[in-house]
Formats: sequence, structure tokens, C-alpha cells
Amino acid sequence: DTEVTQTPKHLVMGMTNKKSLKCEQHMGHRAMYWYKQKAKKPPELMFVYSYEKLSINESVPSRFSPECPNSSLLNLHLHALQPEDSALYLCASSRSGDRVPETQYFGPGTRLLVL
Amino acid sequence: AQSVTQLDSHVSVSEGTPVLLRCNYSSSYSPSLFWYVQHPNKGLQLLLKYTSAATLVKGINGFEAEFKKSETSFHLTKPSAHMSDAAEYFCVVSFSSIYNQGGKLIFGQGTELSVKP
Repeated sequence: DTEVTQTPKHLVMGMTNKKSLKCEQHMGHRAMYWYKQKAKKPPELMFVYSYEKLSINESVPSRFSPECPNSSLLNLHLHALQPEDSALYLCASSRSGDRVPETQYFGPGTRLLVL
Repeated sequence: AQSVTQLDSHVSVSEGTPVLLRCNYSSSYSPSLFWYVQHPNKGLQLLLKYTSAATLVKGINGFEAEFKKSETSFHLTKPSAHMSDAAEYFCVVSFSSIYNQGGKLIFGQGTELSVKP
């Protein structure tokens, strides 16, 4: 099973709302990733968790707050977003996130619209 | 510096004809190369990957790619296009180095494949 699940599929929020995106995998992977993808563009890495510790933050604004409660779950907490944050948010996982290149398995994404 | 260039932003083929999506990479290290496909409003699906084993890599749905070190290329091909192949395709490079903590992926800009009936 190479499935990564994400909820919700779609999310509409106002600029003052607080919401969370959820990602789950049951492949025993120890690395999980958040990406942001704008239309007609490749995904941009936001955060990497390896063994439940934040290993990479690509200078993402603090209105995005990641959380990794355990090795299977990854959350992205959203607060005071801007309309330009509207995008497809993709979660991915890989075996360990070590320096050896690994295949990343992507979820279907959450389509976020900020009004 | 590491980079990926997809030479065509859009490719259009007729159903049943061959597909060629071109990708060139630049890497100071021994690269791992991937092709991912993304159908509209979907996540990315791995088509195939090269990790220094056989230079001709076979993937899912009849796709294959050949790693050519001398040409720094990793072009994706399929002998006969199907309507369901219409999607966005990303060529991706990664590499093993202390400068690539976490095995970050470097994406090309994508090639949109259209398939005409």
C-alpha cells in the first residue's frame, strides 16, 4: 500500500479563520513533507519532518504551523492566511528522509481558497 | 548547482502515436532522477525512477526513460499515447550529499501533455 491520505479535499477560509490540514500514511515511513503548489507550477517544499522532528523549514511564514504528532500523522495549522496563500497543499512521505535520495509518495492534496 | 530543465512546456500528440517528453538535468553529484505525473486536481504519482542501476528504466502505464550521462538527459517516452495520458508531467532530480539534508527534490517546470482523439 503506497497511499497517503489528506483531509479535507477542499477548504475555504476567511483571513481571520484558523483551520488545519491533515495528512496520514501507514507505510511505516519516517519522513513526511508539506508542499505548496500554485496553478501550472511545480510543487514548492515548505516543511520536512524526519523521525517526527522538524528538519527543514523553507522560510515559510509563521501563519503556517506544522505539527507531527506521531510517525503516521502530519498536520498543517493555518491562521490569518492571505488570499495569495490559496493553492493546492500536498503532503508526501518517504522511508526515512536521510540524505540518500528516496522516492516520495504524494497524497491527493487539499485545495485551499482564502477569501 | 543542481537543476532540471524540461524542454517543452506543452506537447500535443494524437492518440496511438509516440510520446516524447524531454528533460535535461545538471548535478554536481550522482543524481537520482524521477518522473511524476499529475492529473488535473490530483496529487503526484510516481511513473518511474533512476537510481544508478540500469540506464533504461521501465515505469507504469507503458512509460520508460533512458538515463544518458553524456547528454545529461532523462527523456520520457511511450510508444503509443492513450487519452488517459493527458496530464502534467514533472521531471525531478535528487542527490545524495551533505548539502541535501532530507533528500530534497528539485522539480522541473512541468510539461503538459495533450492527447487528441
